[in-house]
Amino acid sequence: EAGVTQSPTHLIKTRGQQATLRCSPISGHTSVYWYQQALGLGLQFLLWYDEGEERNRGNFPPRFSGRQFPNYSSELNVNALELEDSALYLCASSLVQGAAEAFFGQGTRLTVV
Amino acid sequence: QKEVEQDPGPLSVPEGAIVSLNCTYSNSAFQYFMWYRQYSRKGPELLMYTYSSGNKEDGRFTAQVDKSSKYISLFIRDSQPSDSATYLCAMRSRGGSQGNLIFGKGTKLSVKP
Repeated sequence: EAGVTQSPTHLIKTRGQQATLRCSPISGHTSVYWYQQALGLGLQFLLWYDEGEERNRGNFPPRFSGRQFPNYSSELNVNALELEDSALYLCASSLVQGAAEAFFGQGTRLTVV
Repeated sequence: QKEVEQDPGPLSVPEGAIVSLNCTYSNSAFQYFMWYRQYSRKGPELLMYTYSSGNKEDGRFTAQVDKSSKYISLFIRDSQPSDSATYLCAMRSRGGSQGNLIFGKGTKLSVKP
């Protein structure tokens, strides 16, 4: 069974540009979570999607947005990139009902220069 | 008070030692408790998952949840150098708008040969 896959693995953008990060959950998982892990910091919750709906949002500005598609894959968009957006962006998926383990992808390392 | 507290360490132990990692939390709605291991520059890997209170054992790893004390633990027996990583606790409530995972900041463990 394939795990959570994220693309691209690395992304280099210039300040002010937009970045799009993608995530494919484990087959059958309907929930997708996005986290930011900046150097030396813990995982900061960004967004939670389930069944195509945004269920919760972390303490991040509106330029961080996303969506979940009918096949449960998800996209994270970061507009007007700032240097401090440089981080590892992690996606996780889980079943909401029943077993609740969440599994992570390997992340997308975003560097803003 | 933060929702999840975890001592960041670093924690250094000799090979073969028993390691105890802990987290405390404040939200009594948390029902699902997880431990992740994260190697440098990698995504977190799910180690143990527990629902509600009790113990769970998997090989050298034992997870304990004490909901009355809002305290969870991960024990590693016969620790190995390959166990050197950052260990993250994570937890969440059953569902609704608070169903996203909340993480501790992680404890960095080093097992010396």
